[in-house]
Amino acid sequence: DAGVIQSPRHEVTEMGQEVTLRCKPISGHDYLFWYRQTMMRGLELLIYFNNNVPIDDSGMPEDRFSAKMPNASFSTLKIQPSEPRDSAVYFCASSGQGADTQYFGPGTRLTVL
Amino acid sequence: AQSVAQPEDQVNVAEGNPLTVKCTYSVSGNPYLFWYVQYPNRGLQFLLKYITGDNLVKGSYGFEAEFNKSQTSFHLKKPSALVSDSALYFCAVRDIWSNYQLIWGAGTKLIIKP
Repeated sequence: DAGVIQSPRHEVTEMGQEVTLRCKPISGHDYLFWYRQTMMRGLELLIYFNNNVPIDDSGMPEDRFSAKMPNASFSTLKIQPSEPRDSAVYFCASSGQGADTQYFGPGTRLTVL
Repeated sequence: AQSVAQPEDQVNVAEGNPLTVKCTYSVSGNPYLFWYVQYPNRGLQFLLKYITGDNLVKGSYGFEAEFNKSQTSFHLKKPSALVSDSALYFCAVRDIWSNYQLIWGAGTKLIIKP
């Protein structure tokens, strides 16, 4: 099992640019979670999906953030336009139906200059 | 409201000594409890979980945790610490009647000194 796959692993961009982060969950998992981790705020849940449908996006900080899950094997988190305060590590995690345990990807370290 | 507290920002232990990383929780119903570990520049890795049953849960890398309902605690323990155990440890909780969202602690940095 390849685990949760995220790309890119590192992204450096300039303020105002569009950023797209990608995630491939573990095959067969029904839940997908996007998190953001910073020193100041710790680990924050941004949004999660069940069977490709967004269930709770209350953690999405602003309208500049959007997430999609067009199919069971792919999700994107987009920031448009990006700002320096968006600099963080973004994690994707997935879990199976009723399994509770979330399995995390390696993360994408985003730096917005 | 559901919450998780990790009262120690950092725990220092000498190699070979037992270690404990503390976690207390508050949920309205019965809890599902989890411990994860994060090594530098890595994602979180699942260590162990308590759902029901035996209060002592064994997990990966020789770690175990004890569920204590009366004290609403779920402390992580290991009998003999290794330098390689140095990492950031997160406790998380979910109310079994809620959605799948986990409530996360702030994390405890564990430093094992040779």
